[in-house]
Amino acid sequence: GDSVTQMEGPVTLSEEAFLTINCTYTATGYPSLFWYVQYPGEGLQLLLKATKADDKGSNKGFEATYRKETTSFHLEKGSVQVSDSAVYFCALSKQGGSEKLVFGKGTKLTVNP
Amino acid sequence: DTGVSQNPRHKITKRGQNVTFRCDPISEHNRLYWYRQTLGQGPEFLTYFQNEAQLEKSRLLSDRFSAERPKGSFSTLEIQRTEQGDSAMYLCASSRTGGNTEAFFGQGTRLTVV
Repeated sequence: GDSVTQMEGPVTLSEEAFLTINCTYTATGYPSLFWYVQYPGEGLQLLLKATKADDKGSNKGFEATYRKETTSFHLEKGSVQVSDSAVYFCALSKQGGSEKLVFGKGTKLTVNP
Repeated sequence: DTGVSQNPRHKITKRGQNVTFRCDPISEHNRLYWYRQTLGQGPEFLTYFQNEAQLEKSRLLSDRFSAERPKGSFSTLEIQRTEQGDSAMYLCASSRTGGNTEAFFGQGTRLTVV
């Protein structure tokens, strides 16, 4: 079945450091890809998405590019802030049908001042 | 706030008891999903409604689990004869069909079975 594998955490960075969280997927067809973020005490929020190969999703300084050839959707940010501390989930869904989300296990990011 | 609302936020129950959770989706959303999230894992899909019809169920949804969405508005998830392995965060999400199909999540109901 479809699956998502993302970098194990936790990840601890200093403020203004560069962030990469790796995500690869296995799926038939052409899934849409997502990054969701869960801040402490809050629900999951969509951070960014890409619906086809070579699309780049971006939001709040975060970026991820849909790479079909490597089945990857790595999350990057050039300069992290303390407020970026959260758990990040990579996910996919297939268009048509339920469009349910298949999530990775999540990566906890802590940014220290 | 017109986001997805889930109640209760926390539930502690004794093994063998029945529990019911409620989800109120965003009002114009016709799609509703239930997911389960255990510690250190990502959310796992349980079931999906389009309006009042339950169109997909995961094999994770044992016979002890039942979900309803009467009138296509709020939804309930009931777990009968709870087991310790049912302890998890139960998440509800809603979205609309067509156009921007972003799923919006509630804050979840944390179930602890003792």
